Amino acid sequence: GENVEQHPSTLSVQEGDSAVIKCTYSDSASNYFPWYKQELGKRPQLIIDIRSNVGEKKDQRIAVTLNKTAKHFSLHITETQPEDSAVYFCAAKHGSGGSNYKLTFGKGTLLTVNP
Amino acid sequence: NAGVTQTPKFQVLKTGQSMTLQCAQDMNHEYMSWYRQDPGMGLRLIHYSVGAGITDQGEVPNGYNVSRSTTEDFPLRLLSAAPSQTSVYFCASRPTGQGGNTIYFGEGSWLTVV
Repeated sequence: GENVEQHPSTLSVQEGDSAVIKCTYSDSASNYFPWYKQELGKRPQLIIDIRSNVGEKKDQRIAVTLNKTAKHFSLHITETQPEDSAVYFCAAKHGSGGSNYKLTFGKGTLLTVNP
Repeated sequence: NAGVTQTPKFQVLKTGQSMTLQCAQDMNHEYMSWYRQDPGMGLRLIHYSVGAGITDQGEVPNGYNVSRSTTEDFPLRLLSAAPSQTSVYFCASRPTGQGGNTIYFGEGSWLTVV
């Protein structure tokens, strides 16, 4: 099955700095990579995603990059703000056969943005 | 649309008791799933379903049963609760086919087994 490794497990930055979270995946057939943000006591919510036929995607202050050859993808947050503080999860979805419907998550990164 | 609705939000069980976590969605999504979230472990898939009458095991299925008699409902049953099942449980759904990648989570159910 798919295995997703996420680093770092905790990340502390100053307001205005950039934050980068990295994930690697094991199954070269995985074709969809979402990122979820989970605030304390809340449900995970999708913030950005990327498909395997795209190398980079941006949405305002957040961007995701994908390197299929190396099987890793990263979340970049620029100009961080205190409200960016949360746990971030990466995930990978296999795109064919019986495992098409499974989404494997990384273990999460606790991001703290200090004012 | 209410989205994905889970009940109860909080529950305390004694070891050996059984209970059912309810999950319903009103988006006509074919795919539904249950995850558990533990500190430092991320979200782990327990069971999933790709349509009414079809269920399959995820990564950590032991101690849990599911059924899918309708498209809307996907209950999770704990057969004989154990302290190791203390966790936060999330139900999730998504459509299949084109545009079927975005997964929608319920608000979560906090379960404590004593």
